[in-house]
Amino acid sequence: ILNVEQSPQSLHVQEGDSTNFTCSFPSSNFYALHWYRWETAKSPEALFVMTLNGDEKKKGRISATLNTKEGYSYLYIKGSQPEDSATYLCAFRNQGGKLIFGQGTELSVKP
Amino acid sequence: DAGITQSPRHKVTETGTPVTLRCHQTENHRYMYWYRQDPGHGLRLIHYSYGVKDTDKGEVSDGYSVSRSKTEDFLLTLESATSSQTSVYFCAISEGDRDEAFFGQGTRLTVV
Repeated sequence: ILNVEQSPQSLHVQEGDSTNFTCSFPSSNFYALHWYRWETAKSPEALFVMTLNGDEKKKGRISATLNTKEGYSYLYIKGSQPEDSATYLCAFRNQGGKLIFGQGTELSVKP
Repeated sequence: DAGITQSPRHKVTETGTPVTLRCHQTENHRYMYWYRQDPGHGLRLIHYSYGVKDTDKGEVSDGYSVSRSKTEDFLLTLESATSSQTSVYFCAISEGDRDEAFFGQGTRLTVV
């Protein structure tokens, strides 16, 4: 069983706060780690795909890091805005193509 | 937007009846996935395909079967629907091993 865990389950912050989430995954048979943003009533959309230990990716105010040796990834949001409110999912991809999602972190940003 | 279409978008069916959901892509992507979304569980993998006629089980495959006879179509079948299979089903596609997944709009299935 591939276990992908995300924490916290939910997070409530004020506009302008910076925040981060954690994703832990198996360190064996690793191929890639994905992050997705999922807004209510929409489909998930990819933020990042990371494959190498030490990878860092950035898109605007959102960035992510990857540690494959210890099996974790962090997603950071700098200066949160109300439009950042969404569920953030990470997904572990193994070498067989299986893509397993964590339960997600639900972020709510209050103006 | 990635060319991925799920059909039907909504379905109500009775317990014990067979149901087939279709995922159709126009992107010629290698990988196709079926997930179910339930409160408190996020997205759980049912089955996936890594090529025509090549499929494998996911985390929650009991009660489901799949087929992929063409690159563009991935069918999910509930042989005998049960109320526990009431859920929102998402199809996803991915071009290669290091590529992001693109999702369909989802199918809301209610088993009464």
